[in-house]
Amino acid sequence: GAVVSQHPSWVICKSGTSVKIECRSLDFQATTMFWYRQFPKQSLMLMATSNEGSKATYEQGVEKDKFLINHASLTLSTLTVTSAHPEDSSFYICSAWDFGTDTQYFGPGTRLTVL
Amino acid sequence: GDSVTQMEGPVTLSEEAFLTINCTYTATGYPSLFWYVQYPGEGLQLLLKATKADDKGSNKGFEATYRKETTSFHLEKGSVQVSDSAVYFCALSESNTGNQFYFGTGTSLTVIP
Repeated sequence: GAVVSQHPSWVICKSGTSVKIECRSLDFQATTMFWYRQFPKQSLMLMATSNEGSKATYEQGVEKDKFLINHASLTLSTLTVTSAHPEDSSFYICSAWDFGTDTQYFGPGTRLTVL
Repeated sequence: GDSVTQMEGPVTLSEEAFLTINCTYTATGYPSLFWYVQYPGEGLQLLLKATKADDKGSNKGFEATYRKETTSFHLEKGSVQVSDSAVYFCALSESNTGNQFYFGTGTSLTVIP
């Protein structure tokens, strides 16, 4: 079946640095991808909707200058956490919608730890 | 706005016990409803879904019926196995096609032999 991959699966960085997370749809094209954030023992919260070739739509309360999203192709969206701080430590999950099967597929997630 | 309320866990059951995880929702339109499962260290996997009232989704022995009158989509399984141990998320989407999902808080299930 369709697969969505994320890279890296786990990253540790120092406070103040930037981290880029990639989300790829491996065998289908996705015009729309979503980025979620999951805190320990909590649910997934939508951060932004990523549309290929246009600006992302951010949810209320999500800083667009801090969480940069680029959806440059139909199979790749990236989330860059700029000037990361310890409070940005979380599990980031992307999803992509496969038009062919009318199904949303979720990536395995990226665990970010900011020291 | 849309939201999903899910039974809190953790839930611990013995093998072959009956499982129910409650889920209720609030939506402005006519949502599709989903159950996702997350095994340790893995991503979310679609377990089952229902797209309209009275539909029953089923997969791997799990079932859930879309009840519009009670705005519920409870997950059930008649006989759980150790391999069912995971976190289960109830979710809704206003459309079955490419919209954002709203998730419940997740219910951790541990099945002991």
